[in-house]
Amino acid sequence: GENVEQHPSTLSVQEGDSAVIKCTYSDSASNYFPWYKQELGKRPQLIIDIRSNVGEKKDQRIAVTLNKTAKHFSLHITETQPEDSAVYFCAACPGGFKTIFGAGTRLFVKA
Amino acid sequence: EAGVTQSPTHLIKTRGQQATLRCSPISGHTSVYWYQQALGLGLQFLLWYDEGEERNRGNFPPRFSGRQFPNYSSELNVNALELEDSALYLCASRSGTVSNQPQHFGDGTRLSIL
Repeated sequence: GENVEQHPSTLSVQEGDSAVIKCTYSDSASNYFPWYKQELGKRPQLIIDIRSNVGEKKDQRIAVTLNKTAKHFSLHITETQPEDSAVYFCAACPGGFKTIFGAGTRLFVKA
Repeated sequence: EAGVTQSPTHLIKTRGQQATLRCSPISGHTSVYWYQQALGLGLQFLLWYDEGEERNRGNFPPRFSGRQFPNYSSELNVNALELEDSALYLCASRSGTVSNQPQHFGDGTRLSIL
């Protein structure tokens, strides 16, 4: 069935270091991959997304890479700051209107 | 542009009661999704409505139900409430006609069962 695996479940980094979150999807029809950030007590918010015709996308300190052959996609945060501390969700969209979310990664950035 | 709005913000019920949660999507969005998020955990998919029809349902018992109105707003109803129903219920909306677009979430309704 459709599934998105996300690792690690918890990630702790020192301020200024990089953080990487990895996801694997099962449905090869997936062609859209959004990432959400959920701060404590707030709504999940879209931070970056990538479509299957692109291998990498960058927005300031955040980048996402996609390997369609391996069905892997990853979120990279460079020069982490305390305000990056949150839960991050990856998602894959098979068929255009469905969204399968990963289980989430809790990122702690230590000052 | 107004975002997804949910009401009420908080809801306190006792076991066995019924709860109704409401969601208004972003203007122009016809698809509405409901998720359950227990404390500190992931997004568990509940229901997906589009153009007034239920399109998909997650692995939840039938006492979780809902509907979508002609103006695309939606209600989630939970009958025979149980203690483990205590959670944040998030609604999200997206375009129903343009594929590969992100879902936009509301602030959620925190349901507490005493």
